[in-house]
Amino acid sequence: AQSVTQPDIHITVSEGASLELRCNYSYGATPYLFWYVQSPGQGLQLLLKYFSGDTLVQGIKGFEAEFKRSQSSFNLRKPSVHWSDAAEYFCAVVGIGGYQKVTFGIGTKLQVIP
Amino acid sequence: DGGITQSPKYLFRKEGQNVTLSCEQNLNHDAMYWYRQDPGQGLRLIYYSQIVNDFQKGDIAEGYSVSREKKESFPLTVTSAQKNPTAFYLCASSTSKENTEAFFGQGTRLTVV
Repeated sequence: AQSVTQPDIHITVSEGASLELRCNYSYGATPYLFWYVQSPGQGLQLLLKYFSGDTLVQGIKGFEAEFKRSQSSFNLRKPSVHWSDAAEYFCAVVGIGGYQKVTFGIGTKLQVIP
Repeated sequence: DGGITQSPKYLFRKEGQNVTLSCEQNLNHDAMYWYRQDPGQGLRLIYYSQIVNDFQKGDIAEGYSVSREKKESFPLTVTSAQKNPTAFYLCASSTSKENTEAFFGQGTRLTVV
């Protein structure tokens, strides 16, 4: 069975500092990987996705993620965090069978301090 | 503008009542999904539908029911059999392709009073 681990439930960074949110997955083959962001009381917005090809993926709002097969990881990064990035971030993995087989991590809540 | 609309945004229910959450999409997506979100548990799949007039149970379907009479609509009914219905409910849709992402609505917060 596939699984997703986001080891950091809560992260605090200073505005302007770099950010890395960790995501590890378990799946027998190369999965489809996603990062979503959720502001309080809102739905999920797709930041970026990995299906195949280049392992460094660029997304919206200045985010990027790198797929590392050897480490089963898909960490999200941003070189300089803005106060508006404060939100909850979810990593998700989709295996064979389409999106009905998606598994979400429990989320990482990001706090940005001045 | 294409997207997914969930209504209402907030919903209060008395114990023992059924309530229906609306989800409409104009993205021409074949597949639609309902998730439940609780703090610290991520998103859990309640039901999904890949085509009109067909739907399947997800991981936590007990106490919920759905219908898919139109491609654009996938309403979720929270029945009185659901023991702990207070949660944030998210609807999503996607194409039927395997390498696809889902688009989410803004959610409905259901509170049992």
